[in-house]
Amino acid sequence: EDKVVQSPLSLVVHEGDTVTLNCSYEVTNFRSLLWYKQEKKAPTFLFMLTSSGIEKKSGRLSSILDKKELSSILNITATQTGDSAIYLCAVTPGNTGKLIFGQGTTLQVKP
Amino acid sequence: EAQVTQNPRYLITVTGKKLTVTCSQNMNHEYMSWYRQDPGLGLRQIYYSMNVEVTDKGDVPEGYKVSRKEKRNFPLILESPSPNQTSLYFCASRGRLAGRETQYFGPGTRLLVL
Repeated sequence: EDKVVQSPLSLVVHEGDTVTLNCSYEVTNFRSLLWYKQEKKAPTFLFMLTSSGIEKKSGRLSSILDKKELSSILNITATQTGDSAIYLCAVTPGNTGKLIFGQGTTLQVKP
Repeated sequence: EAQVTQNPRYLITVTGKKLTVTCSQNMNHEYMSWYRQDPGLGLRQIYYSMNVEVTDKGDVPEGYKVSRKEKRNFPLILESPSPNQTSLYFCASRGRLAGRETQYFGPGTRLLVL
């Protein structure tokens, strides 16, 4: 059965800290991995990683895909209170439009 | 402005009364999908559509129907809603914009089935 697992489930840090969120997966014929940020509303898309694009960066956020380890990390440097959110990881298996989500990591950044 | 719209945003209904939640996107995306989000269960995909007239089941399709007659619209139909379909529903579309992969979620529809 296809599965996506995120860790930790929750995390509390202080402003300025660097955090690393993990996502591991077991899917048939991996195609892509996506990261989202969800505050008190709809998720917003952050990155998509594939075999041809295993590293992405946008400002203080960056993500790497490790196809050998079947995992990905999302790094946030110099965290701010506005980074407080649930971070979701999702994976697309095979040549389908299916999207399987992990349970999310709740990040709280304290001032 | 690129966006996905959903209507209604909030709905209270009774068991068995058919309802439709509309979803529309203005980005000419081929891919659209529906999700439900429940506490402790996270986001789960209901249905997706790779293009017009092409739809397929996600992880939790039971009790739902969809149609994709035109590219911009992807309505979610509950023929006979039951209380276990009380949830927060999101529609999303995905595609390339200016050469970059993008995905947008609608604002969500909160459904309560009594």
